[in-house]
Amino acid sequence: EAQVTQNPRYLITVTGKKLTVTCSQNMNHEYMSWYRQDPGLGLRQIYYSMNVEVTDKGDVPEGYKVSRKEKRNFPLILESPSPNQTSLYFCASSLSSWEIAGGNEQFFGPGTRLTVL
Amino acid sequence: RKEVEQDPGPFNVPEGATVAFNCTYSNSASQSFFWYRQDCRKEPKLLMSVYSSGNEDGRFTAQLNRASQYISLLIRDSKLSDSATYLCAVIGAYNQGGKLIFGQGTELSVKP
Repeated sequence: EAQVTQNPRYLITVTGKKLTVTCSQNMNHEYMSWYRQDPGLGLRQIYYSMNVEVTDKGDVPEGYKVSRKEKRNFPLILESPSPNQTSLYFCASSLSSWEIAGGNEQFFGPGTRLTVL
Repeated sequence: RKEVEQDPGPFNVPEGATVAFNCTYSNSASQSFFWYRQDCRKEPKLLMSVYSSGNEDGRFTAQLNRASQYISLLIRDSKLSDSATYLCAVIGAYNQGGKLIFGQGTELSVKP
């Protein structure tokens, strides 16, 4: 089954404790992206990757890191989480950014609900 | 001003009703437009891409008005299963790395 998976789905942690949220897709997609969703603010892009070893900042990259060593994986790293990073996080993938612009779907993972105390 | 704005609702409608959502965008050079559906904080799923000529998929019709910078979604003969949050999304000029700019979503509740 074609899908985007994220782990963990739920996480409660404390300020300053490094964590990684994994994202994996099995559709051989070049493009991957991370969003966070907050009430009243909608979904906002954190980082994106056009292909392996190519990553760039989205609208809200502060406090996050990413890597793209393999095509299928795009982990999101919080080196020192803070309470303002409490949010619902979605990973997404697509064949390419141009496929998205052409009207094709960006596939989202099931989400990771993160609480930072 | 937000780049993409929607009326957050909630819209409470009876089964069988016709309901319309509008979404405005501020960047006149935006090039691609979408409606996504999100159920109860699950992942967004593409409902429709919105084309310049307008497009229809069953009970759903999407329209784009570039002059007034808004997109619309019309749902006819609402079903209970249409209850969800509807997100409009836009890709700005020059593709912007495939970034989808989302509105905050409009909540729809269809009642029996």
